[in-house]
Amino acid sequence: SAVISQKPSRDICQRGTSLTIQCQVDSQVTMMFWYRQQPGQSLTLIATANQGSEATYESGFVIDKFPISRPNLTFSTLTVSNMSPEDSSIYLCSVGRGYQETQYFGPGTRLLVL
Amino acid sequence: AQTVTQSQPEMSVQEAETVTLSCTYDTSESDYYLFWYKQPPSRQMILVIRQEAYKQQNATENRFSVNFQKAAKSFSLKISDSQLGDAAMYFCAFNTGGGNKLTFGTGTQLKVEL
Repeated sequence: SAVISQKPSRDICQRGTSLTIQCQVDSQVTMMFWYRQQPGQSLTLIATANQGSEATYESGFVIDKFPISRPNLTFSTLTVSNMSPEDSSIYLCSVGRGYQETQYFGPGTRLLVL
Repeated sequence: AQTVTQSQPEMSVQEAETVTLSCTYDTSESDYYLFWYKQPPSRQMILVIRQEAYKQQNATENRFSVNFQKAAKSFSLKISDSQLGDAAMYFCAFNTGGGNKLTFGTGTQLKVEL
């Protein structure tokens, strides 16, 4: 497994602002992923963060709204831009080491947008 | 389309008893991995057990075991000797295709009663 940390653990933000969430892993990993979990819902994949290249976004998610960085094999950030109350969710990062490997999740960032 | 169905939104079990959570999935892939994750109130996603589709033998992890029926595309989780700490939301997921993408079910909320 891997030890994964996320910052911040929670935040309350105003409409129209942006928040950057950090995900740090204690070892090098090939794959990093960002998920959103809306209240009472399951997890939905936002994007796959690729080291050294652009992130790959899932249908319904765009780079302008959720820009992602992956500067090295242990770190990634997700920015939630121009926030609205509909963005209130838990955002989770996860990591995997290879094709169809198990994904391990960070503790999540609980975001409330007023 | 790849889908995961958990038909039991809520389940209850008495402490020390056994409970089975249901999961069915649909995929055209022949090679994939299946997972059960647990999400307690802390919101941390915790891996419970995983099953490789090419293995006929059902996976077990201490009190947790699966009944994997590949032809029926069924992947149920059995929890034996239930404990209060097992109370959580349980998500079934599978890993499809290249890129490690996880598809999640809608979850089953498990309550453990004294």
